Amino acid sequence: ETGVTQSPTHLIKTRGQQVTLRCSSQSGHNTVSWYQQALGQGPQFIFQYYREEENGRGNFPPRFSGLQFPNYSSELNVNALELDDSALYLCASSLTGTYYGYTFGSGTRLTVV
Amino acid sequence: GQQLNQSPQSMFIQEGEDVSMNCTSSSIFNTWLWYKQDPGEGPVLLIALYKAGELTSNGRLTAQFGITRKDSFLNISASIPSDVGIYFCAGQRESGNTPLVFGKGTRLSVIA
Repeated sequence: ETGVTQSPTHLIKTRGQQVTLRCSSQSGHNTVSWYQQALGQGPQFIFQYYREEENGRGNFPPRFSGLQFPNYSSELNVNALELDDSALYLCASSLTGTYYGYTFGSGTRLTVV
Repeated sequence: GQQLNQSPQSMFIQEGEDVSMNCTSSSIFNTWLWYKQDPGEGPVLLIALYKAGELTSNGRLTAQFGITRKDSFLNISASIPSDVGIYFCAGQRESGNTPLVFGKGTRLSVIA
């Protein structure tokens, strides 16, 4: 059974640019959630995808968007990057309808300069 | 965004000592979870609590779901060096796939 894998592990972008982060969910999981973890903080919920549609969103602006693919993998896109977007972005997968909870990936460290 | 109130922020303890940390919220959660995060890794689930008043153990770890459903604590007994890391509490409105609301974490350092 493979866990959640995220790519890339590290990324440096310039303010105003766009970025795409990728996530492969754990085998058997059909739901993907994305979290932003700023330095010294706990993760903050961005949004969740189920059946290729957004299924819940936290307090993040529209320039944060996502996709889920038929194989349940997912992308997080951020447009018009700001310095405050520098953070660890975590992907978590789960199986809707169960109590097994989330499995987190190791994250992508995004630095905006 | 909302974050739970977690304390203490950091702890330095001697190996073999017991550790206690807690988490409070102004609103009710129906599931409480405790995670550990090592450097460069994502959070790993330690204990999940689904019922108010529930006391659950996982090896040297014990966690309780407060009766008011607004708090939880985690105890670690007889700490060892590999307990070093950041511990997060998280609340869920409902079990399953509802979003997690995290605390800011407790950074634990163990002195051998």
